[in-house]
Amino acid sequence: DTEVTQTPKHLVMGMTNKKSLKCEQHMGHRAMYWYKQKAKKPPELMFVYSYEKLSINESVPSRFSPECPNSSLLNLHLHALQPEDSALYLCASSQLDTREKLFFGSGTQLSVL
Amino acid sequence: SQQGEEDPQALSIQEGENATMNCSYKTSINNLQWYRQNSGRGLVHLILIRSNEREKHSGRLRVTLDTSKKSSSLLITASRAADTASYFCATGDRGSTLGRLYFGRGTQLTVWP
Repeated sequence: DTEVTQTPKHLVMGMTNKKSLKCEQHMGHRAMYWYKQKAKKPPELMFVYSYEKLSINESVPSRFSPECPNSSLLNLHLHALQPEDSALYLCASSQLDTREKLFFGSGTQLSVL
Repeated sequence: SQQGEEDPQALSIQEGENATMNCSYKTSINNLQWYRQNSGRGLVHLILIRSNEREKHSGRLRVTLDTSKKSSSLLITASRAADTASYFCATGDRGSTLGRLYFGRGTQLTVWP
């Protein structure tokens, strides 16, 4: 199994809503990532987890709250988002070595109204 | 910023032609990776070239790396309509902490049947 599964594929939410994005992998990878990608732009790193511990937070606003309940799951909790947060949110995983490749999920297309 | 810069930003060719994309970066790297992204989807890893390698092949893909010029090129030979996608180079700083993989702006490749 070389897949990273993200749910939901599409999400529309209001600025007062609370929602969660989910990501799952069964490749035994101990590093997991959240990236944000705006249209026609490159992915931008948000968070990195290694061994289920948060190791990198790229100064992401607190309305985004990541969680890694176990080595296979990664969540991104969303609360009080702004319309400019609308983007494609990508989850990725890798072996614990920045020199190795990332496996990406197909993303959640988020629209904040 | 370490972010790579792809050139050209857009490339339009006929099926059967070769497509060449270039990437430049700013600082010393561990490796350079190329990813492909179909519209609105996740990224797929294509090929990784390490800093001590100069050329690498994978199927119809040929990647070169010139660390003295801080540049790389991706050649897709005998292109197909299915190769239509965005292509990103990605680099990790030498000695950087886990997960700081920087993506360039990407080249949008369109292959016409």
